[in-house]
Amino acid sequence: KQEVTQIPAALSVPEGENLVLNCSFTDSAIYNLQWFRQDPGKGLTSLLLIQSSQREQTSGRLNASLDKSSGRSTLYIAASQPGDSATYLCAAAITGTYKYIFGTGTRLKVLA
Amino acid sequence: GAGVSQSPSNKVTEKGKDVELRCDPISGHTALYWYRQSLGQGLEFLIYFQGNSAPDKSGLPSDRFSAERTGGSVSTLTIQRTQQEDSAVYLCASSLGPALAGGLETQYFGPGTRLLVL
Repeated sequence: KQEVTQIPAALSVPEGENLVLNCSFTDSAIYNLQWFRQDPGKGLTSLLLIQSSQREQTSGRLNASLDKSSGRSTLYIAASQPGDSATYLCAAAITGTYKYIFGTGTRLKVLA
Repeated sequence: GAGVSQSPSNKVTEKGKDVELRCDPISGHTALYWYRQSLGQGLEFLIYFQGNSAPDKSGLPSDRFSAERTGGSVSTLTIQRTQQEDSAVYLCASSLGPALAGGLETQYFGPGTRLLVL
């Protein structure tokens, strides 16, 4: 059974810091992994999608990497800003199904 | 263009009543997903539609839950004889292409329906 874990559960950093959020999954049979952010009381916004054949994706200050063999993905946020404060979720798509398994998220707070 | 919309935004109901939750995906998106987010828990996959068919409904928690999609567009999630444990935020997402489409799977989420069963 695929399990997705995110560490840390919560993180508070001063503005300007570079930070790394971690996502681990138990079954390497995934066909993609997505990172999302969720603002309080709102739906999810897709940030990056990494196909299983890719190693990383970049969008602006965000960079996500994927290492299937070790069952890990990281989301790197450069020069963090207060507007980055949100809950960040990763989701692994299980090969051979249409199902996405979500982690429980990392609650990020960037202090001005 | 409009994003994914869901209605109602909030629903309070009494135990035992039936509820219907509606999702309007982005126009032209062929894939549609329903998820449930309970307090303190992660998102739980419920069902996936490709067009009007549901090739994966493995996440529906019981036979009280059903969903349909018509015209390749609007979807309705129905919960019969609601129970208190059904209280959660129900999220809908759509994507341009089907799952396994290689690059078209980015999901766009609606704001959710907050369901409270008293």
